[in-house]
Amino acid sequence: QKEVEQDPGPLSVPEGAIVSLNCTYSNSAFQYFMWYRQYSRKGPELLMYTYSSGNKEDGRFTAQVDKSSKYISLFIRDSQPSDSATYLCAGLTGGGNKLTFGTGTQLKVEL
Amino acid sequence: SQTIHQWPATLVQPVGSPLSLECTVEGTSNPNLYWYRQAAGRGLQLLFYSVGIGQISSEVPQNLSASRPQDRQFILSSKKLLLSDSGFYLCARKKGLAGLTGELFFGEGSRLTVL
Repeated sequence: QKEVEQDPGPLSVPEGAIVSLNCTYSNSAFQYFMWYRQYSRKGPELLMYTYSSGNKEDGRFTAQVDKSSKYISLFIRDSQPSDSATYLCAGLTGGGNKLTFGTGTQLKVEL
Repeated sequence: SQTIHQWPATLVQPVGSPLSLECTVEGTSNPNLYWYRQAAGRGLQLLFYSVGIGQISSEVPQNLSASRPQDRQFILSSKKLLLSDSGFYLCARKKGLAGLTGELFFGEGSRLTVL
């Protein structure tokens, strides 16, 4: 079993839709959770990170972590074509040096 | 600046040939540096990380090796490439002193095709 699981997609939505991206994880030691966005042929860039369970909002993006069910979510409101990318979730143990990534979900926002 | 330079950006190599990918970073001294590989359908796989000059931790046993000859230089090498080494290789550094949060900055990557 992979430590972090993600549906690879592709997920295709119309512009303006609310997007829900999800991950599950198996490592109970994860305390920090990240979402990275990766455009084609580019390196990933950090979107958001959260500590432990709870929600965090940044503009159109909301990250949600439920440690009891080991479930991580990223919501994108009013999606734009520029949001088309691969979204990678990741977990990190407290004090750890190693991020464990999911395989990424490819998102396409269409006009 | 957290700029990460990687080269070459793209290369095509025959099976059995050697490999050297270079990563240099700007910014704070003594950064934690990482090599990740991204292959189709497999996500980002951590290969090596380094917390200082000459200090390398290997995560996956394979025919690749890493070295850190200088504070801001991280090199990925192989003596003999395999077909399975094809992929997108990403160098990353941990953001400043915020080590515990796992915020990584990634370079633009080196795309390797082994034929």
